[in-house]
Amino acid sequence: DADVTQTPRNRITKTGKRIMLECSQTKGHDRMYWYRQDPGLGLRLIYYSFDVKDINKGEISDGYSVSRQAQAKFSLSLESAIPNQTALYFCATSDLGRGDSDTQYFGPGTRLTVL
Amino acid sequence: GNSVTQMEGPVTLSEEAFLTINCTYTATGYPSLFWYVQYPGEGLQLLLKATKADDKGSNKGFEATYRKETTSFHLEKGSVQVSDSAVYFCALRGGSNYKLTFGKGTLLTVNP
Repeated sequence: DADVTQTPRNRITKTGKRIMLECSQTKGHDRMYWYRQDPGLGLRLIYYSFDVKDINKGEISDGYSVSRQAQAKFSLSLESAIPNQTALYFCATSDLGRGDSDTQYFGPGTRLTVL
Repeated sequence: GNSVTQMEGPVTLSEEAFLTINCTYTATGYPSLFWYVQYPGEGLQLLLKATKADDKGSNKGFEATYRKETTSFHLEKGSVQVSDSAVYFCALRGGSNYKLTFGKGTLLTVNP
């Protein structure tokens, strides 16, 4: 079974709709991240969380919100989706305070299309 | 702030050719450097990393050396295979900041 899972894997929605993307992990990591990937732009950080009570904005947080429901779950919401939020979204995790804390582990991605 | 500049693609090679993908960075302090690979339809996977100057990361025949004097971390492989076709991302984590900064990615296509 995958260590980092994302649901849904694909979603098509309409402008103005509220959308939630979910991420779960079984790695026991404290840190979780949400990125979006756009062609030619690489990955950009939306939000990150270092533990359940710690949520931080990334470089492109406008139009997004997050919820860290538990150590293993980190959800990304688009309150009112717009077409330029069409992208591939990735969740990632990393460990805290151990030798491998540099490494982030990615989920398979959610492809979101906003019409 | 931190930034990563990597070679723009796409790169198309024949099987068994030599691969170099250039990556340079700007960061304060002493960053850790990474190469991630994204195979078609999948998420990113760590390919290799180096955490201090002159370290060489290696995995699956790929290598990259952390060159602080040239602020570079170029990815190389002596003989590519069709299965190496993917998008490659250079990234850094700077100092006490645990966020990763990514380059824009380089698409590699290897033809038989």
